[in-house]
Amino acid sequence: DAGVIQSPRHEVTEMGQEVTLRCKPISGHNSLFWYRQTMMRGLELLIYFNNNVPIDDSGMPEDRFSAKMPNASFSTLKIQPSEPRDSAVYFCASSFQGTMNTEAFFGQGTRLTVV
Amino acid sequence: DQQVKQNSPSLSVQEGRISILNCDYTNSMFDYFLWYKKYPAEGPTFLISISSIKDKNEDGRFTVFLNKSAKHLSLHIVPSQPGDSAVYFCAARHVDMRFGAGTRLTVKP
Repeated sequence: DAGVIQSPRHEVTEMGQEVTLRCKPISGHNSLFWYRQTMMRGLELLIYFNNNVPIDDSGMPEDRFSAKMPNASFSTLKIQPSEPRDSAVYFCASSFQGTMNTEAFFGQGTRLTVV
Repeated sequence: DQQVKQNSPSLSVQEGRISILNCDYTNSMFDYFLWYKKYPAEGPTFLISISSIKDKNEDGRFTVFLNKSAKHLSLHIVPSQPGDSAVYFCAARHVDMRFGAGTRLTVKP
């Protein structure tokens, strides 16, 4: 398996534009996480899906942020409109959630710069 | 609401010595704890984990200790090597997974 795949690796956009980040989880995994890395808060959980259903989106900072998981092999995180303070590295991670917890595997991240 | 806290942003140790990274949590529902290692421009990679029913888990040079009553866990690396220099994140799971802010470890030759 190629692991968790995120695209694009880098995104530079102008303030006010829509940005879409994409994630392909590891095949067979049923849990998917979106995180944002900041200096102050480290890896901040934005939203968590289980079996394609959003379970906890309390970390989504504003209504400008939305996430979808239309099927088990694809998820998107959208920011509309984007603002300079959204500049960060965004990570997607997946894991298999059964009767016991297991580790999650991360993608390489998308570095977003909003100018 | 920072449920997982790493209060030391950085740690510097000499090669061959022990590195001890600390982590505190507030949510007593967490039942699985993990340490991740992160190099620049890469995603975090899983290092070691521990279930809440245990107090110690060892894997080679890495040992994680869990003190449930104190809501505290630590990662020991011994002996430390220059290649261990990275940012280390503590994480805790109940259903979702929460991370601390990270500790940057520098191992000097």
